[in-house]
Amino acid sequence: DTGVSQDPRHKITKRGQNVTFRCDPISEHNRLYWYRQTLGQGPEFLTYFQNEAQLEKSRLLSDRFSAERPKGSFSTLEIQRTEQGDSAMYLCASSSGTGGTEAFFGQGTRLTVV
Amino acid sequence: QKEVEQDPGPLSVPEGAIVSLNCTYSNSAFQYFMWYRQYSRKGPELLMYTYSSGNKEDGRFTAQVDKSSKYISLFIRDSQPSDSATYLCARDNYGQNFVFGPGTRLSVLP
Repeated sequence: DTGVSQDPRHKITKRGQNVTFRCDPISEHNRLYWYRQTLGQGPEFLTYFQNEAQLEKSRLLSDRFSAERPKGSFSTLEIQRTEQGDSAMYLCASSSGTGGTEAFFGQGTRLTVV
Repeated sequence: QKEVEQDPGPLSVPEGAIVSLNCTYSNSAFQYFMWYRQYSRKGPELLMYTYSSGNKEDGRFTAQVDKSSKYISLFIRDSQPSDSATYLCARDNYGQNFVFGPGTRLSVLP
């Protein structure tokens, strides 16, 4: 499978716990994006990487959120001290080159905070 | 004003109908547009990618961009029940990320 892979697919956690999600992009893609999607809404941009450099972060990405892409390959998104409002689908996408190229999404990680 | 607007639907059509899905956007400077299909509880799947104005066809799908009116359309010919999904339009955001509309939920009835 050469598509974008995300793990886990589902995560249920108690409020206040930390969670970490992983994304493996398409291998030759140097751009990696994290989005969040709630029910009935389109995906909302969180952050993106060009290789290992994190180039932009949305205002949605509070201090409790951190993302890394240490070697320019896979990426992790960590949420600390989860809140019920963090419950959403977290989507990862990758693309090649600079802007103006297609982005391909993974199947997402569905987070439920109870 | 939202940057990309879509009618959320739901839109219900009989099998075999031609479906027209539409988006509007706010800034005529944007040039790259995408349509994604998203099944329930799945990630978005890229359907069509267009640059600037004009039409692009791929099988039963045609994407159309009208920059003068800031209007993006996706047409689905001979619609099938398997086309039932949410359709998201998106625009490239100055080469940095992508801005999505809220999506239109489509049901194709057999």
